[in-house]
Amino acid sequence: AQSVSQHNHHVILSEAASLELGCNYSYGGTVNLFWYVQYPGQHLQLLLKYFSGDPLVKGIKGFEAEFIKSKFSFNLRKPSVQWSDTAEYFCAVNARGNAGNMLTFGGGTRLMVKP
Amino acid sequence: GAVVSQHPSRVICKSGTSVKIECRSLDFQATTMFWYRQFPKQSLMLMATSNEGSKATYEQGVEKDKFLINHASLTLSTLTVTSAHPEDSSFYICSARDFRTASTYEQYFGPGTRLTVT
Repeated sequence: AQSVSQHNHHVILSEAASLELGCNYSYGGTVNLFWYVQYPGQHLQLLLKYFSGDPLVKGIKGFEAEFIKSKFSFNLRKPSVQWSDTAEYFCAVNARGNAGNMLTFGGGTRLMVKP
Repeated sequence: GAVVSQHPSRVICKSGTSVKIECRSLDFQATTMFWYRQFPKQSLMLMATSNEGSKATYEQGVEKDKFLINHASLTLSTLTVTSAHPEDSSFYICSARDFRTASTYEQYFGPGTRLTVT
């Protein structure tokens, strides 16, 4: 079974600082990778996703993530964060071909951006 | 597009009663819907996968007789928490896959339902 780990549980940054959130997964086969964001009081929204092709994927709101297959990683980055990026971020993995096409979520990283 | 709604958004019930939560895909047809549970400050835990017209597949440790799932149409799935207990208090979130984009494995999430059992 696949598992997902997010190393940073809480991150506090000042506006304009650069962001990198780690995500590692354990699964030997082909995967689809996602980053979701949950703003305070709102539902989960997709930030970006990787299925195949260019391992550097760009998402909404200036976020990007890089799939490094050899490291089983899919880290999320943003060059300059804003106060409005304060939210919880979840990495999720779908192992290709699993029967239910289920997503396995990481534990989440709570980001606070100070104005 | 790809909007998923849940009703109710919040519900308080007494111990021993049953509560039904609805999950609807508003502008697409969902052959598969998923039910998650999220504890405070924790991640989402998949409870079950619901396929239209067939029985739900429950994850290990989830009591199927306690958490009844029905996916009677391509736009509606319901989760019924039977004989609720205080430990069932949680945030329940559903998601749905659009059958037109099923190959992308993307899920669209509802806003969640906060259940409090007193």
